[in-house]
Formats: sequence, C-alpha cells, structure tokens
Amino acid sequence: QVQLQESGPGLVKPSETLSLTCAVSGYSISSGFYWDWIRQPPGKGLEWIGNIYHSGSTFYNPSLKSRVTISVDTSKNQFSLKLNSVTAADTAVYYCARQGASTKHVDYWGQGILVIVSS
Amino acid sequence: QTVVTQEPSLTVSPGGTVTLTCASSTGAVTSDYFPNWFQQKPGQAPRALIYGTSNKHSWTPARFSGSLLGGKAALTLSGVQPEDEAEYYCLLYYGGDQQSVFGGGTKLTVL
Repeated sequence: QVQLQESGPGLVKPSETLSLTCAVSGYSISSGFYWDWIRQPPGKGLEWIGNIYHSGSTFYNPSLKSRVTISVDTSKNQFSLKLNSVTAADTAVYYCARQGASTKHVDYWGQGILVIVSS
Repeated sequence: QTVVTQEPSLTVSPGGTVTLTCASSTGAVTSDYFPNWFQQKPGQAPRALIYGTSNKHSWTPARFSGSLLGGKAALTLSGVQPEDEAEYYCLLYYGGDQQSVFGGGTKLTVL
C-alpha cells in the first residue's frame, strides 16, 4: 500500500520560507512516477504547485514558479517543497501526491498539512 | 493564464443521475488532457476517482464514470447515494507547458 505523509512547520512568518517534506512508503520513488505538491487555501479549491520526476526534472505552476523549489531525496524516499517570500495568501493545506508519468493519473495523496502564514 | 471551469454547484436526488463537466479556456478538452476526477469530503484529502478520461481506480465505485462530452471532460454519477454528497474536482494536463490545472470544483448536494 502506497502511503504519503507530509511534515513540516505549521506556522511560518511572512517573508520567510515555507519548507515541507513528503515521506513515501510502500513504493520506491526511484522506480518512477512524478511526485506532486498541491495546496488548498481554507474554504477554497485545489491548486497544483508543481512536481518532480525521480530523475530530478521539475515542472512548476507558472504563477508560483519564481518562488518554488521542489527537490527529491531518493536515499530517504522523500521529496520536498520550498516556497519563499510567503504571505498570508500562502496559508493553505498542502498535499503531496503521486502522478503517473505517461498516464498522468494522480492516485495516492497524503493527508495534508495546514500551514499558516502569520507573524 | 489557463482556466479550468466546472459548475459551482449541482443538486441531485438519491437514486438519480447527474453529470459534472470540466471545460478548458484553451478550447475543447480531448484525451490528450488526461482528465482526472477527484472527490473531496469536508476535512478529508481528495480521493481519486477517474483518470485518463474514463479509467477507474481499483477503489472507484461502479456508479462513477468518466467521458468526453461536447468538448468537455465529464463525470457521471448513476444511482446517486447520499454519501456521494461532496466537492468534485477535475484536473487537466497541459502537455505544452507540462503543467496541471485544477477546476474550481463542483459542490454536489444529494437532496
């Protein structure tokens, strides 16, 4: 059974960097798939942030591209998100998920982690 | 900026049939957009239902089906159950930019 689990600080100050990690179990990141980050502001819809292939190739939402970095650590079977210069608008539940490389199917999701941007 | 549009809300009676749609601001949705559909209930992570327009995951109930309809991706629920009341999101893949875009979601009420 594939499982994903987000972790990181639940509170980040404005202008600082949001850093989250997604630990994957039940599947080796090195075996393939894209690994996505998705967020959902309170009471709003889902927003795709970007993803990374096991080889390290990354693709980002153009609206966030200047502030986002996604990286992968295959030795720890996890991938990470960094979002810099955060504002209150970045307050959201952040999810990690798995996406098929050729089929583009998104199947397994983490439970999500709420990150609040506030001083 | 690419926009994916869904009906904001729909209401269906128990046992009825309802179709949710997903349109792209770039034009007709085709299988090249690899439409995905997700169900989200309050306080829960989204759950995958459909991928690649019409393919079901192993856990997807048989009453859910996906298709292309009039230039849009579509999710049809047949024999709706009370537990199907939820928010439904579509996700389209744009190969040129290699990015994915979610629709705004449809709140489905079973009444």
